[in-house]
Amino acid sequence: EPEVTQTPSHQVTQMGQEVILRCVPISNHLYFYWYRQILGQKVEFLVSFYNNEISEKSEIFDDQFSVERPDGSNFTLKIRSTKLEDSAMYFCASNYGGANTGELFFGEGSRLTVL
Amino acid sequence: KNQVEQSPQSLIILEGKNCTLQCNYTVSPFSNLRWYKQDTGRGPVSLTIMTFSENTKSNGRYTATLDADTKQSSLHITASQLSDSASYICVVSVWYGGSQGNLIFGKGTKLSVKP
Repeated sequence: EPEVTQTPSHQVTQMGQEVILRCVPISNHLYFYWYRQILGQKVEFLVSFYNNEISEKSEIFDDQFSVERPDGSNFTLKIRSTKLEDSAMYFCASNYGGANTGELFFGEGSRLTVL
Repeated sequence: KNQVEQSPQSLIILEGKNCTLQCNYTVSPFSNLRWYKQDTGRGPVSLTIMTFSENTKSNGRYTATLDADTKQSSLHITASQLSDSASYICVVSVWYGGSQGNLIFGKGTKLSVKP
């Protein structure tokens, strides 16, 4: 069964360092998303991406964050200068028809720990 | 403000017993309501998706109900198994037009099934 894959599963970094989280969405999906979940809290929307551009972003997704689909298969989330409060589980998700239609498939997450 | 509230926060039941989890939402404009199962440290997995015209939807031992008038949903788990131990998250989709939208996540109900 096709699945969304994420790497790395866990990354530890020093405050101020740049981090890139990688995702390979399901191959025929057109919509891609990043969500985050701080330990013990609810899942929060970061950004959605369609047709090679950001379609929506939340207040969390400030200038420190960027997304890219560099090669038609990978979908990356970059955090330019990490802060302690960026420590969270980051989930990539994808689907075919957009947030209003059909199931959203989540990856297993990348746990980011900022020291 | 769009919100999704779930109750109870946590629940402990014995294996083989049934349970019902609740979700109340204030989301407008409403598109659909989803229930996800999230094992600790893993990505959410979809259980059901319901539009406003659907009252009930089943997926094996999971049955979700939706009352769009009162803006309430429930997830009923029948004959619980140890593997049902997880967080169950209610997610409501806000409709922005066309295929665009946003998912509003509840905090989840943490279910523990004991032998």
